[in-house]
Amino acid sequence: DTGVSQNPRHKITKRGQNVTFRCDPISEHNRLYWYRQTLGQGPEFLTYFQNEAQLEKSRLLSDRFSAERPKGSFSTLEIQRTEQGDSAMYLCASSLEDSPYNEQFFGPGTRLTVL
Amino acid sequence: AQSVAQPEDQVNVAEGNPLTVKCTYSVSGNPYLFWYVQYPNRGLQFLLKYITGDNLVKGSYGFEAEFNKSQTSFHLKKPSALVSDSALYFCAVRDEEGSQGNLIFGKGTKLSVKP
Repeated sequence: DTGVSQNPRHKITKRGQNVTFRCDPISEHNRLYWYRQTLGQGPEFLTYFQNEAQLEKSRLLSDRFSAERPKGSFSTLEIQRTEQGDSAMYLCASSLEDSPYNEQFFGPGTRLTVL
Repeated sequence: AQSVAQPEDQVNVAEGNPLTVKCTYSVSGNPYLFWYVQYPNRGLQFLLKYITGDNLVKGSYGFEAEFNKSQTSFHLKKPSALVSDSALYFCAVRDEEGSQGNLIFGKGTKLSVKP
C-alpha cells in the first residue's frame, strides 16, 4: 500500500503524559499537513510542512504541541503534558508540490484518548 | 472569514434514489472547493474538486458536484445511491488567507442509504 500511513492507530494515555505520533506520507509528496478532528466536527488544520520546513502553524497548535519533519519524509507530532481536551483523531495528509490546488491524501489517523 | 457550511447533519436515502448532500461556502476570493468521504476507521478519501471551469464536476464512485457561484453552493450529487455509499461526507474549501493550501472543512454530513 503506497498511501499515507500513520502510527499508532490508537493511543490511550493518562493526563500529563507525553505522546508522539508518526506520519509517513506518499513518497513523492513534498507537502505534509496535520489536522485534528473531534467528534462531530470536520478536521481542523494544525500545521504544514514543505519538505523539512514547517511553514505554517494554526493558533490551535499550543506550545505543548510540536511537529517535525527532519528529512522531508516522515513527520512526527508530539504532544507534551497531555490534557483531556487533546482527545481527538489526529490526521496527516500529503500532496504534490506542483500546485496548491492539488488534492490532499489522508492517512487513517491516530485516535488519542487522554484519561 | 472563510467558512464552509453543511446544513444537514444526516441525509437518508433509499437505495437507487438520487442523493444530494448540501454545502455552502463563504470566501473572499475565488473558491477552491473539495469533497471528501470518510468511512469508519478509515481516512478521508478525495472525491472531487472544483478549481475553475465547468460548473459540473465529476468525481470518483459516480459522484458529481455542481458549483453555483450566485448561491455560493457546491452540492454533492449522485443519480442512484448505493448502500455502500453510506458514510460521512465533508465539504472543504482551500484557505486563501493561509498560503499553503490547507483546507477548511465543514462539520460533515452522515449519509445513510437504506436497501
